[in-house]
Amino acid sequence: DTAVSQTPKYLVTQMGNDKSIKCEQNLGHDTMYWYKQDSKKFLKIMFSYNNKELIINETVPNRFSPKSPDKAHLNLHINSLELGDSAVYFCASSQGSGYTGELFFGEGSRLTVL
Amino acid sequence: AQKVTQAQTEISVVEKEDVTLDCVYETRDTTYYLFWYKQPPSGELVFLIRRNSFDEQNEISGRYSWNFQKSTSSFNFTITASQVVDSAVYFCALSEERSWGKLQFGAGTQVVVTP
Repeated sequence: DTAVSQTPKYLVTQMGNDKSIKCEQNLGHDTMYWYKQDSKKFLKIMFSYNNKELIINETVPNRFSPKSPDKAHLNLHINSLELGDSAVYFCASSQGSGYTGELFFGEGSRLTVL
Repeated sequence: AQKVTQAQTEISVVEKEDVTLDCVYETRDTTYYLFWYKQPPSGELVFLIRRNSFDEQNEISGRYSWNFQKSTSSFNFTITASQVVDSAVYFCALSEERSWGKLQFGAGTQVVVTP
């Protein structure tokens, strides 16, 4: 059983489209995250939710909208996709703030915008 | 400003050589955690170690060892007797007490181990 699962793993789409990436964790954690890894492998946090409440919202274009229907799910919706959105998006979870413990990452979703 | 610096972008070694990855961090917090993650070619992020700011004991786990020195704000990682399976990108990361799980990653070091 995969602890943190993301779908889809690969997504190829055209500029201007809207797309979503879904994330689910079965670890019973109460905090979930979205990280973006760019083409140079640099990893940066985008959002964090704790018990469905937005905790961290980094400087991310408002075309990106996270949604947490419950504490086991954190989805990422992206409107009006741009070329620069091409990246690998990682979902992660932790128990509590994650400050003291490890984050459990999903396998990543590779988004390619043409 | 970058809080975690991994100055080595790529290190190439021949199998069985040792390789040390440098990590220098910057924080004003007295309480923080440092992490190392491995990202193999398959792309997933694998947790390797966590160290809190109050524990400067070095740690060894099999062929992996970590050297934490607060005086130089460094948390270096050594792979002893490297193997081809160690080929990956290795990330050092910092989590500060006030940041609610926001891991700040270094740029990563690509390790290439050739037979």
